[in-house]
Amino acid sequence: SAVISQKPSRDICQRGTSLTIQCQVDSQVTMMFWYRQQPGQSLTLIATANQGSEATYESGFVIDKFPISRPNLTFSTLTVSNMSPEDSSIYLCSVRSSGANVLTFGAGSRLTVL
Amino acid sequence: TQLLEQSPQFLSIQEGENLTVYCNSSSVFSSLQWYRQEPGEGPVLLVTVVTGGEVKKLKRLTFQFGDARKDSSLHITAAQPGDTGLYLCAGARGYGKLTFGQGTILTVHP
Repeated sequence: SAVISQKPSRDICQRGTSLTIQCQVDSQVTMMFWYRQQPGQSLTLIATANQGSEATYESGFVIDKFPISRPNLTFSTLTVSNMSPEDSSIYLCSVRSSGANVLTFGAGSRLTVL
Repeated sequence: TQLLEQSPQFLSIQEGENLTVYCNSSSVFSSLQWYRQEPGEGPVLLVTVVTGGEVKKLKRLTFQFGDARKDSSLHITAAQPGDTGLYLCAGARGYGKLTFGQGTILTVHP
């Protein structure tokens, strides 16, 4: 399965600032996703990162707040803009394996907003 | 949205005990997946079940898919501290988005 490198692994940020999280995959993948997770809880899909076009956002998430880039089939970024303490969470990049609807996840980026 | 109800939310047991985690839905899924997540890591796939009534075993872990493909269970025999983690079930309908359960935090005390 694909190997995903995600960074930063954690960060502490001031409210009102923005943070960009990077996701690098060791192979080309068609489907890349960004999830949010409160520690010890389930996963919430933020958006599907589409190569060459705008990301597809889930209900409750908007491009202005969570802009996503997907310049090629191995890399994506998620930006958390104008952060507030409510944005404190774990953000996870994931990819779907070819031929099966199962996900491989990065280790996550733990964001704390003060 | 197809909900996937996972229970219990928390399990705290002693080493050597058995446990079962359940995932239930009113919707049919084409497959049901189980993931385990340890602190500081992303979820890792344990197993996928695709056939109604299917039973899969992974060492001390037994996974079952309900006959109607609406529910699944994970049974751990003789739990060990290394089993500690967050367990997540996820239902798939074809190649659509996965629906995740709420998660079960398992703590196995030595």
